[in-house]
Amino acid sequence: DIVLTQSPDSLAASLGERATITCKSSQSILYSSNNLNYLSWHQQKPGQPPRLLIYWASTRDSGVPDRFSGSGSGTDFTLTISSLQAEDVAVYYCHQYYTTPYTFGQGTKLEIK
Amino acid sequence: QMQLQPWGAGLLKPSETLSLTCAVSSGSFSAYYWSWIRQPPGKGLEWIGEINHSGTINFNPSLKSRVTMSLDTSKSQLSLNLRSVTAADTAVYYCARGPGRLRWGQGILVTVSS
Repeated sequence: DIVLTQSPDSLAASLGERATITCKSSQSILYSSNNLNYLSWHQQKPGQPPRLLIYWASTRDSGVPDRFSGSGSGTDFTLTISSLQAEDVAVYYCHQYYTTPYTFGQGTKLEIK
Repeated sequence: QMQLQPWGAGLLKPSETLSLTCAVSSGSFSAYYWSWIRQPPGKGLEWIGEINHSGTINFNPSLKSRVTMSLDTSKSQLSLNLRSVTAADTAVYYCARGPGRLRWGQGILVTVSS
């Protein structure tokens, strides 16, 4: 199975600050034939289902604020929130859909300092 | 806007079978893969499996021997059966359209307790 390791496990940042979460894959999830990274990022607020933020590692889903961005390729990926808002408090998960069994990172809890 | 709403028994005894159905409202049901994902209380996400209208099914090997999935394209519904449940199967179960550009449905809490 592909193991996704997120860091940090928890993060506290001030409103307006930049927040960065990394996700490292145990093997490359870049499909060479289409040059796409099979990685997505999801946000989960308490009591709610997760919400897709980013897919193909860097494509923002419809309706997602542009302060959220994804980057990286191969085995190393980053989710960046450029200017933290109060409503961004949540747990964030990376997810690989390169090969089954699809797997998720352990989650990063983001709080306001 | 597409919605996915699961339903089924929320409380089971050990060794019973978990049975969930998810109704998909709007959208092209046959054009996609459909997934089940679960989340134990206070823990992370675990992919259970996926199915498409062609009958292609992929399961998580950790659950494969106990899982059955099916689609009813006439009703735009997907179903999940998990046999011989234990307390470790207590979780919120999500249905979703995907993989890839996952569209999450609402979750349903299933508790296994004697």
